[in-house]
Amino acid sequence: GAVVSQHPSRVICKSGTSVKIECRSLDFQATTMFWYRQFPKQSLMLMATSNEGSKATYEQGVEKDKFLINHASLTLSTLTVTSAHPEDSSFYICSARGRDFSYEQYFGPGTRLTVT
Amino acid sequence: DAKTTQPTSMDCAEGRAANLPCNHSTISGNEYVYWYRQIHSQGPQYIIHGLKNNETNEMASLIITEDRKSSTLILPHATLRDTAVYYCIVRVESGNTPLVFGKGTRLSVIA
Repeated sequence: GAVVSQHPSRVICKSGTSVKIECRSLDFQATTMFWYRQFPKQSLMLMATSNEGSKATYEQGVEKDKFLINHASLTLSTLTVTSAHPEDSSFYICSARGRDFSYEQYFGPGTRLTVT
Repeated sequence: DAKTTQPTSMDCAEGRAANLPCNHSTISGNEYVYWYRQIHSQGPQYIIHGLKNNETNEMASLIITEDRKSSTLILPHATLRDTAVYYCIVRVESGNTPLVFGKGTRLSVIA
């Protein structure tokens, strides 16, 4: 199957700062990327969907000005958590889909964000 | 919202078959049944999917009832590394909608 990577795998930042998480599709062109968030002992919650070259579509309750998503190329999407607070501490997982793999959805390994 | 219902947790002895049930009574005619699993602190991993026929691959088998209102994922010889949360998801194959995760079943394989 397709390979999706995320960087960093873990990040600790101070409250009020911003942090950027990268998601890359390594062996296919990702026409669509998804960002999920997962709190401890809970399921994955979809945050937003982005198509290459277009603005992201955010799920209800997700602040678009706080979680900035950029999908500028077919292999890279970034999620920037702006002015992070401790309640933003979570496991962030990206997922990608593209024509090369019949538009199935593949997941990255996740990024553990801790805001102190 | 997730359209599936799964037991919260299950145990399975190592080496035995693990049978994980899923109810999807409101599934539409063009929706497939997908199974993913998530090992602790990792991203979800695709296992298998099917429409109405039973499917088998190197990881598992998927048995879908004739009325398609329920299915069972079978891990034929469970190992300790199969301990994970297993998610059953229904969606249109390769559609534009993203995967929506329910609460899944936490499978614990016991030595």
